[in-house]
Amino acid sequence: DARVTQTPRHKVTEMGQEVTMRCQPILGHNTVFWYRQTMMQGLELLAYFRNRAPLDDSGMPKDRFSAEMPDATLATLKIQPSEPRDSAVYFCASGLAGTSGGPRKTQYFGPGTRLLVL
Amino acid sequence: QKEVEQNSGPLSVPEGAIASLNCTYSDRGSQSFFWYRQYSGKSPELIMFIYSNGDKEDGRFTAQLNKASQYVSLLIRDSQPSDSATYLCAVYSGGGADGLTFGKGTHLIIQP
Repeated sequence: DARVTQTPRHKVTEMGQEVTMRCQPILGHNTVFWYRQTMMQGLELLAYFRNRAPLDDSGMPKDRFSAEMPDATLATLKIQPSEPRDSAVYFCASGLAGTSGGPRKTQYFGPGTRLLVL
Repeated sequence: QKEVEQNSGPLSVPEGAIASLNCTYSDRGSQSFFWYRQYSGKSPELIMFIYSNGDKEDGRFTAQLNKASQYVSLLIRDSQPSDSATYLCAVYSGGGADGLTFGKGTHLIIQP
């Protein structure tokens, strides 16, 4: 049963601390997306990778957030320093690249990391 | 700016009735459309996708697409309390990018 995995599932930290979230995409998927979800904003795209290359990080606050994909099985999202307004659920999703649409564009979500910054 | 609009709800439907969820999108060139269900505290999970005009049925779920009106809907027949969740509409616009644009979701409550 192929699934996207994320760690940690929950994180409570104090303002100013570094937070690192990890994601393992589904084997064979070559696109990875990081989303942040809040009640007010819904799902916001933070960053996305295709074949490990960052293609869009326009939704990410550059001064404190960074996203990397050191290899095909690991994507990371870091916040340094963290702030209370970063409290949210962070989802990673994976999918397939290419110009064809239809079901190939389905994104599969991980369970999320619930972050609380005090 | 690509936009996907949904009524946030809550939409309250009696058990056994048909729940109708609607979504409009701004990019006329959009190619594929997805419905995700998200239970409280859980991640979004795919219910259905549709990319041709008309209806597509899968069990109790029917997705309807009208590209001329830039409108996609999801019908849930014989609604069950377990259908209570937030339903997210997502749109793929093509153009070489891979991402989906998500609506903010409609909160559906099925009343026993």
